[in-house]
Amino acid sequence: AQSVAQPEDQVNVAEGNPLTVKCTYSVSGNPYLFWYVQYPNRGLQFLLKYITGDNLVKGSYGFEAEFNKSQTSFHLKKPSALVSDSALYFCAVRPPNNFNKFYFGSGTKLNVKP
Amino acid sequence: SAVISQKPSRDICQRGTSLTIQCQVDSQVTMMFWYRQQPGQSLTLIATANQGSEATYESGFVIDKFPISRPNLTFSTLTVSNMSPEDSSIYLCSVRGGLHEQYFGPGTRLTVT
Repeated sequence: AQSVAQPEDQVNVAEGNPLTVKCTYSVSGNPYLFWYVQYPNRGLQFLLKYITGDNLVKGSYGFEAEFNKSQTSFHLKKPSALVSDSALYFCAVRPPNNFNKFYFGSGTKLNVKP
Repeated sequence: SAVISQKPSRDICQRGTSLTIQCQVDSQVTMMFWYRQQPGQSLTLIATANQGSEATYESGFVIDKFPISRPNLTFSTLTVSNMSPEDSSIYLCSVRGGLHEQYFGPGTRLTVT
């Protein structure tokens, strides 16, 4: 069965410090992996994706994510957090044989304190 | 990326009534998707809507409860019928962008009293 796990409901970091939001997945075949961010009262915004190639992918707003096949992980990172990064972050996986089916993690609330 | 709008942005409804949510995209798309995000939970796909054919519903969702229309390539509606408090959620419309990712509308926040 396909699934995505975000083990932390909440991550707290101080502004200027690096941040990591964790994601692990279970999917048959080579996964397509995504990160989305949801600001209050807004829809989901696409941040970045891994399809193939370099394991480190860069996305919007200075975020990056590292694909680790052996650990089935796709952690979201940023070298220096901003207060404005505070939001809800969702990891998602799409099976390689279904273009339309996305499985979302439960979400991680990121709090960046000044 | 596609620009997606939804109406209404929020509503408070009484149990037993129905609400129709509209989704408008600024470009023609083959497929549109409807998701539900229950309070404090992740997104769950309700159905996939193709223009000119019946929507395809995911396990646990039925057409009688969530009828969907797709009259053209830029518009879709989702109706939440005979509502109960358990239907209180954010309902999101999305479309596929490029080859891989999906883009989402701002959502409709529904509260059923």
